[in-house]
Amino acid sequence: GENVEQHPSTLSVQEGDSAVIKCTYSDSASNYFPWYKQELGKRPQLIIDIRSNVGEKKDQRIAVTLNKTAKHFSLHITETQPEDSAVYFCAASLGGSTLGRLYFGRGTQLTVWP
Amino acid sequence: SQTIHQWPATLVQPVGSPLSLECTVEGTSNPNLYWYRQAAGRGLQLLFYSVGIGQISSEVPQNLSASRPQDRQFILSSKKLLLSDSGFYLCAWRPGQVRGSYNEQFFGPGTRLTVL
Repeated sequence: GENVEQHPSTLSVQEGDSAVIKCTYSDSASNYFPWYKQELGKRPQLIIDIRSNVGEKKDQRIAVTLNKTAKHFSLHITETQPEDSAVYFCAASLGGSTLGRLYFGRGTQLTVWP
Repeated sequence: SQTIHQWPATLVQPVGSPLSLECTVEGTSNPNLYWYRQAAGRGLQLLFYSVGIGQISSEVPQNLSASRPQDRQFILSSKKLLLSDSGFYLCAWRPGQVRGSYNEQFFGPGTRLTVL
């Protein structure tokens, strides 16, 4: 099955700096890559996703890049704010499958210091 | 719009006691349903998933079981809880039987289980 590795496990940045979280996947058939944000005690919520026919996607301060050849994708957060502090999960999936399984990375605890 | 409910929100149970957690989805039909466990505040471990009534697939053999008695109801059970069963249990859904779509999953609010 698919194996998703996520790094780093913890990340601390100063408010206003950028944060980058990287993930690799093993199954070249995976073609859908969502990112979830989980605040303390809350449910994970989708913040951005990318499909394999796209190399980059942006949504305000958040962007995701995908390198299919190298089988890795990254989350970029610019101008970080204290409210960005949370655990971030990457995931990979075979889009179009009726099973809809997501394979998650182990998460990155992002702390943004004011 | 679709909503997903889980109850109870929190639960404290003694070792060896039974468990029943419930998840229901509103506003959709024939969803795919998933149970995850999150221990120590981090990684999401997929426990079970279901693509239809009575159809359950297990990812991790353990003392937990799942059932789907109705289209939009998913239940997680145990006959005898272990200390290691403590954690945050999340139910999730996505539209089922939609070929060509991509697999965003929507999570419920979760149940925090403490086994003493």
